[in-house]
Amino acid sequence: ILNVEQSPQSLHVQEGDSTNFTCSFPSSNFYALHWYRWETAKSPEALFVMTLNGDEKKKGRISATLNTKEGYSYLYIKGSQPEDSATYLCAFPPEYGNKLVFGAGTILRVKS
Amino acid sequence: DTEVTQTPKHLVMGMTNKKSLKCEQHMGHRAMYWYKQKAKKPPELMFVYSYEKLSINESVPSRFSPECPNSSLLNLHLHALQPEDSALYLCASSLRDGVGNPSPGNTIYFGEGSWLTVV
Repeated sequence: ILNVEQSPQSLHVQEGDSTNFTCSFPSSNFYALHWYRWETAKSPEALFVMTLNGDEKKKGRISATLNTKEGYSYLYIKGSQPEDSATYLCAFPPEYGNKLVFGAGTILRVKS
Repeated sequence: DTEVTQTPKHLVMGMTNKKSLKCEQHMGHRAMYWYKQKAKKPPELMFVYSYEKLSINESVPSRFSPECPNSSLLNLHLHALQPEDSALYLCASSLRDGVGNPSPGNTIYFGEGSWLTVV
């Protein structure tokens, strides 16, 4: 059974705090790692698709790193804002193709 | 335009009804997907279409019948559903690489989903 683990399950921070979450995945047969942000009543928004060990990607205040050898990715949010409140999902294709297995997500709530 | 449009947003149906969920994208993507999400669980893949042909069926019961009439449209026909089939159904699409399968590095774009309640 393929396990994609995300931690923490939920996070409550104050506006302006920086935060990070973890996605762990099997390190064998790595193809790609996807990060999504999913706000309530909206569609999951693709943040990053990471394919290379050591990849670092950035989108505004959000960045992600990838370690395929040890099987983890970190997502960082600098200076959290209330609009960052969402569920952050990572997803992993266990085989070549886009058959994604999703983690359970990290729920982020940012208080103003 | 990076939009995947799903209709209806909400559907309530009886166990003997026949209904359909619809999905549309105009990004030129040739891979389209149906995912199912139950409350507090991650999305789970149901079907993948590649170039309008069904390429993956994740052992989904036959009361769910997908259809891809053309490269922009994806339907999910529903018949004789059970209350436990109530869930959020997400459609998604992605590019394909030049040699066949969708590349694992392709971004997958999701619609907002259709909330299905079976009564």
